[in-house]
Amino acid sequence: SAVISQKPSRDICQRGTSLTIQCQVDSQVTMMFWYRQQPGQSLTLIATANQGSEATYESGFVIDKFPISRPNLTFSTLTVSNMSPEDSSIYLCSVRTGGRNSPLHFGNGTRLTVT
Amino acid sequence: TQLLEQSPQFLSIQEGENLTVYCNSSSVFSSLQWYRQEPGEGPVLLVTVVTGGEVKKLKRLTFQFGDARKDSSLHITAAQPGDTGLYLCAGAGGFQKLVFGTGTRLLVSP
Repeated sequence: SAVISQKPSRDICQRGTSLTIQCQVDSQVTMMFWYRQQPGQSLTLIATANQGSEATYESGFVIDKFPISRPNLTFSTLTVSNMSPEDSSIYLCSVRTGGRNSPLHFGNGTRLTVT
Repeated sequence: TQLLEQSPQFLSIQEGENLTVYCNSSSVFSSLQWYRQEPGEGPVLLVTVVTGGEVKKLKRLTFQFGDARKDSSLHITAAQPGDTGLYLCAGAGGFQKLVFGTGTRLLVSP
């Protein structure tokens, strides 16, 4: 198991600005992921955060819009750049501590509202 | 693209009723997981099924993995208000990624 601290828990931002979300894990983990979730809906994978190298982005997500850093095995950041109201969503950090079939552990998410 | 469709999307029932949630795909998964999420929190794992035809029970919850490993079901017996939440199935795809289903929102009223 892993304890994940994500901050901020929520924010209200103006369009055109950027927000950086931090994810801190209490132990070293190999796999770290960032998801987006519209309230009450399912999760969409944004990218896999790779330690020491560029993140691997899913179709529809690009580095210029969602730059990700992962300087070590316990920490990652996701930036939502040049925000628009369409970026209003919940952003979740998750980690996997075991093999391919092991569960994901999630932070409590960051609820972002863009006005 | 691997897709997991859940049905129903929303279910509102009375305490004590039984219900089944379905998770279907045209793709084969090496394993399938079920999560429950409550407001303001991240999803929490309920169970992982790995073998085709596998059945797992967790108190009043029964999970089944289809023989072909393309579908799964979650059955809740005698639902309680504490079962309220968003239920998500998730299939293990390539490169250690999880593909999440479309979600089922369950509301159990006293």
